[in-house]
Amino acid sequence: DTAVSQTPKYLVTQMGNDKSIKCEQNLGHDTMYWYKQDSKKFLKIMFSYNNKELIINETVPNRFSPKSPDKAHLNLHINSLELGDSAVYFCASSPSGYNEQFFGPGTRLTVL
Amino acid sequence: AQSVAQPEDQVNVAEGNPLTVKCTYSVSGNPYLFWYVQYPNRGLQFLLKYITGDNLVKGSYGFEAEFNKSQTSFHLKKPSALVSDSALYFCAVRDSTSGTYKYIFGTGTRLKVLA
Repeated sequence: DTAVSQTPKYLVTQMGNDKSIKCEQNLGHDTMYWYKQDSKKFLKIMFSYNNKELIINETVPNRFSPKSPDKAHLNLHINSLELGDSAVYFCASSPSGYNEQFFGPGTRLTVL
Repeated sequence: AQSVAQPEDQVNVAEGNPLTVKCTYSVSGNPYLFWYVQYPNRGLQFLLKYITGDNLVKGSYGFEAEFNKSQTSFHLKKPSALVSDSALYFCAVRDSTSGTYKYIFGTGTRLKVLA
């Protein structure tokens, strides 16, 4: 079974559209994250939830809104997509704040 | 504020030779340090971590890293490189005094092992 899964794997859409990416972990972890990896492979944290509570909210446009319906799921909704949103988005989870993170396979978002 | 630096964009090494991928960090408190590897079109995979204890940490696939507090470094090493080790390597740090679970990742170092 996949530990951290993301859907979809690829997402191609037009500027101005609204899209969502879903993440699920079956590891029983308390903490989940969203990261953005740009074309230069730089990895930047966007959000983190601990037991469904938002604990990290980096300087991200408010077009990005995370939602955690339960401890095993963390979704990312993006409104009014822009060209600069094109990137690979990774979901990750960890059992606690000082343990390693388990990453999903990524969602490659392309905004045309 | 916490930060981490990987000074080399790319490291080339011949198969069978030892490899080192460098990482330095800056935190206010004690560091929690991690190394991850990313293969093409894949998510990051955990290799090893330093939380406390022995300065030499052993991890997956024969990798190890040495925590050096005086030099604020956590270099990744392997005694004998394999072509299959070619990938993108990330160092990450979290400050023990940070109230949030925020990890800072380095910019990544591409390791190329030549046959």
